[in-house]
Amino acid sequence: DAGVTQSPTHLIKTRGQQVTLRCSPISGHKSVSWYQQVLGQGPQFIFQYYEKEERGRGNFPDRFSARQFPNYSSELNVNALLLGDSALYLCASSFGQVGTNEKLFFGSGTQLSVL
Amino acid sequence: GDSVTQMEGPVTLSEEAFLTINCTYTATGYPSLFWYVQYPGEGLQLLLKATKADDKGSNKGFEATYRKETTSFHLEKGSVQVSDSAVYFCALSLASGGSYIPTFGRGTSLIVHP
Repeated sequence: DAGVTQSPTHLIKTRGQQVTLRCSPISGHKSVSWYQQVLGQGPQFIFQYYEKEERGRGNFPDRFSARQFPNYSSELNVNALLLGDSALYLCASSFGQVGTNEKLFFGSGTQLSVL
Repeated sequence: GDSVTQMEGPVTLSEEAFLTINCTYTATGYPSLFWYVQYPGEGLQLLLKATKADDKGSNKGFEATYRKETTSFHLEKGSVQVSDSAVYFCALSLASGGSYIPTFGRGTSLIVHP
């Protein structure tokens, strides 16, 4: 069975541009969450979507937005890119809403470089 | 706010050595605790978890015990292998406004030499 897939794997953008990252969860999983991982740091929670509704948001500016589609895939959008947005963006899926007993399955991430 | 603190890496060991990676947390409630592992070029994988005080999580020879009195969740393995070389992340999950927000530590790199 396919795991969590993210696209693209690498992306280079310039300051002020907009970017869209995509994530396909494991078949049957209804929850997708997004994380930003800056080099040398742990993943930082951005969003969680469950059944196409936003169920949690981390401490990120409004330039970050996301949505979940009827097939449970998800997109993360970042507008007005800043140099500090350069990071590995991880997507994780789980069957139910992220909670104490939900196991998260992570994709390999999208490496975003902002020049 | 909630936070997770891990020991600085890299941790460098010889094969068959004993491993301890320290993890302490700060949380306003009673979190669940996790260890994730990230092998080179791969996504994070759940290694083990514990959901309440005194629980012991274990998997693949790794163990960690939820210590509420010391707010710790140290990762241990009795005999490491070269294949254990990876980055290890301690994390907590706590309810916030009706959803569970995961918080990760910065990760500890483990390098095991033959």
